[in-house]
Amino acid sequence: DAGITQSPRHKVTETGTPVTLRCHQTENHRYMYWYRQDPGHGLRLIHYSYGVKDTDKGEVSDGYSVSRSKTEDFLLTLESATSSQTSVYFCAIRTDTEAFFGQGTRLTVV
Amino acid sequence: GQQVMQIPQYQHVQEGEDFTTYCNSSTTLSNIQWYKQRPGGHPVFLIQLVKSGEVKKQKRLTFQFGEAKKNSSLHITATQTTDVGTYFCAVLDDFNKFYFGSGTKLNVKP
Repeated sequence: DAGITQSPRHKVTETGTPVTLRCHQTENHRYMYWYRQDPGHGLRLIHYSYGVKDTDKGEVSDGYSVSRSKTEDFLLTLESATSSQTSVYFCAIRTDTEAFFGQGTRLTVV
Repeated sequence: GQQVMQIPQYQHVQEGEDFTTYCNSSTTLSNIQWYKQRPGGHPVFLIQLVKSGEVKKQKRLTFQFGEAKKNSSLHITATQTTDVGTYFCAVLDDFNKFYFGSGTKLNVKP
C-alpha cells in the first residue's frame, strides 16, 4: 500500500470545531490527494499537492484547507466543521502508473 | 475540471452473469485507470490503459479504451460473489488533478 497511513481512523466532532486529518507516506511520492466519499457521489477531490508547499484546490474545496510542510505529510483541516462535512475521507498518493489509497478516516460532525 | 461520466450507478446480477461498466469523457484522455473498492475498504488499482483501442485482460476482467480515447469499459465475465464492490474509472488532467468517476456498485446474488 505504498506506506500510507491516515489518522485518525474515526472521529466524532462537534459543529464549529476545527479538525485536522493527517496523511503520512513513507516513500517520498510527489503527488498527494485528499478525497471525500459520500453515497451517490463517488470520490470527490478536495485538494491535492504536487510538492512541499505546493497545493491546489479540487472540486469541493470550500471549507477545507491543506498544508504540506514535509514530503511525507499532507494535512487536511476543516476550519469549522459542519454537518455537511460528515463523510469518509481518503488520502492517496499517485505514481506515474497508479494511485495508492490510505485506509480512510470516517468523520462524523454532530 | 475533468468530467468523467460513469454508468450505470448500480448493477445487480445473478452469480454467473456478465457485468459491464462504462466511462465517458467529453475530452480526449491521455490515459484512464480502473479501481475496485470492496465494501468498507479503500480503492485498489486494477489497471491503466494508455493506447487508443487498447484491450487488456485480467482473468475474467476485460478492459477497453476507445479508439478516440474518450471512453472506456470494464467487463466481467461470469461474475462471482468475490466481484462485489464499487468499480471506478479515474483520469488525470493536464494540471495533475486526479478525478474519479462516480462509480458503479456491483452486487452479485449467489
